[in-house]
Amino acid sequence: NAGVTQTPKFRILKIGQSMTLQCAQDMNHNYMYWYRQDPGMGLKLIYYSVGAGITDKGEVPNGYNVSRSTTEDFPLRLELAAPSQTSVYFCASSTSSGGNTGELFFGEGSRLTVL
Amino acid sequence: GEDVEQSLFLSVREGDSSVINCTYTDSSSTYLYWYKQEPGAGLQLLTYIFSNMDMKQDQRLTVLLNKKDKHLSLRIADTQTGDSAIYFCAESTSGTYKYIFGTGTRLKVLA
Repeated sequence: NAGVTQTPKFRILKIGQSMTLQCAQDMNHNYMYWYRQDPGMGLKLIYYSVGAGITDKGEVPNGYNVSRSTTEDFPLRLELAAPSQTSVYFCASSTSSGGNTGELFFGEGSRLTVL
Repeated sequence: GEDVEQSLFLSVREGDSSVINCTYTDSSSTYLYWYKQEPGAGLQLLTYIFSNMDMKQDQRLTVLLNKKDKHLSLRIADTQTGDSAIYFCAESTSGTYKYIFGTGTRLKVLA
């Protein structure tokens, strides 16, 4: 049972570098999300997608981009890394099927440090 | 805007009960959740309650919902060292993508 898989688990970037955080789910969920978690701040939504080809901004989208070409994959791109993007990033998915509880399924997280 | 608030820390002795509290502002919430995050891991759903319920019990877990005061609590009976984790309260509204998370309460269980 793979669920939501994120890679890499850890990464150190220099200021100005770019990278992509990968996220894949095998549950055929149509909703996918990227959150960042900062100490004492809870989870903040970066971007979300309600299906392949559809993405939209969350609370804190600046400095990030996403794409959703397939139901399974939802990569998060950081174009010009800044120290403020040092955080733990979580990908999550859920189904919009009727009668479900809306449970979010999370990946294990990607810890990113920008120096 | 909508907000969910929790205290940041709670410390209890092994075998005691733990009560983690949460307040929310969105009166249209349909579901209220408790997620558990163990060190170095993602969040996992612990339990949830529909907004038309007052209480839900699941083994050692009891969830109480006071809709009038918009207050949610999670009681863990006979708390064990394995319960040490961060507990997040969250709410969502049916038919939307949107989930609002609290800051998380770090529970420390002392042996």
